[in-house]
Amino acid sequence: SYELTQPLSVSVALGQTARITCGGNNIGSKNVHWYQQKPGQAPVLVIYRDSNRPSGIPERFSGSNSGNTATLTISRAQAGDEADYYCQVWDSSTAVVFGGGTKLTVL
Amino acid sequence: QVQLVQSGAEVKKPGASVKVSCKASGYTFTSYDINWVRQATGQGLEWMGWMNPNSGNTGYAQKFQGRVTMTRNTSISTAYMELSSLRSEDTAVYYCARSDSSGWDYWGQGTLVTVSS
Repeated sequence: SYELTQPLSVSVALGQTARITCGGNNIGSKNVHWYQQKPGQAPVLVIYRDSNRPSGIPERFSGSNSGNTATLTISRAQAGDEADYYCQVWDSSTAVVFGGGTKLTVL
Repeated sequence: QVQLVQSGAEVKKPGASVKVSCKASGYTFTSYDINWVRQATGQGLEWMGWMNPNSGNTGYAQKFQGRVTMTRNTSISTAYMELSSLRSEDTAVYYCARSDSSGWDYWGQGTLVTVSS
């Protein structure tokens, strides 16, 4: 079965750039979606198909995907960006797969 | 505006079944798949399965095969997820979400299912 690996936690200083990785075998050949989830709330789509932002998502959020790693980048991090972030792909053997999630802390 | 509104919290005994509803509005219900995921307290997102509301076709995660059933009533734009043979480990918040190739763009508010004797 296909697996996605995310770091448990990432810390970033206020105003700096945070990068959250999502590792998977040849993930660069798949479409990766990213979700932000704040405590007590449903997840929100922040990046779809590797690098596209839904309407209403700030330009500070961007994504890339190549080789065995996809990356969500949050520029000029704000306190409001503190949340759990999940990557997601569709795989022919496992169907929908989520990464384990990364807790972003803004210092 | 697009909305997915789920049914309220449930408390069930071990061995029972639970059926969670997800009522869609603001878009054509049959034009997007509906997926279901769950999240235990402090844990990550766990995909359960998907349904195509137009055809009724479904696909379930292997872990839930034989225990989960996803259905819909197109006349009231509502999707359902039924989980049977409940055990304590099924205690979680269950979410429905609308999906297409551009990700899961709208989610329900979540339904807490508690399994306890």
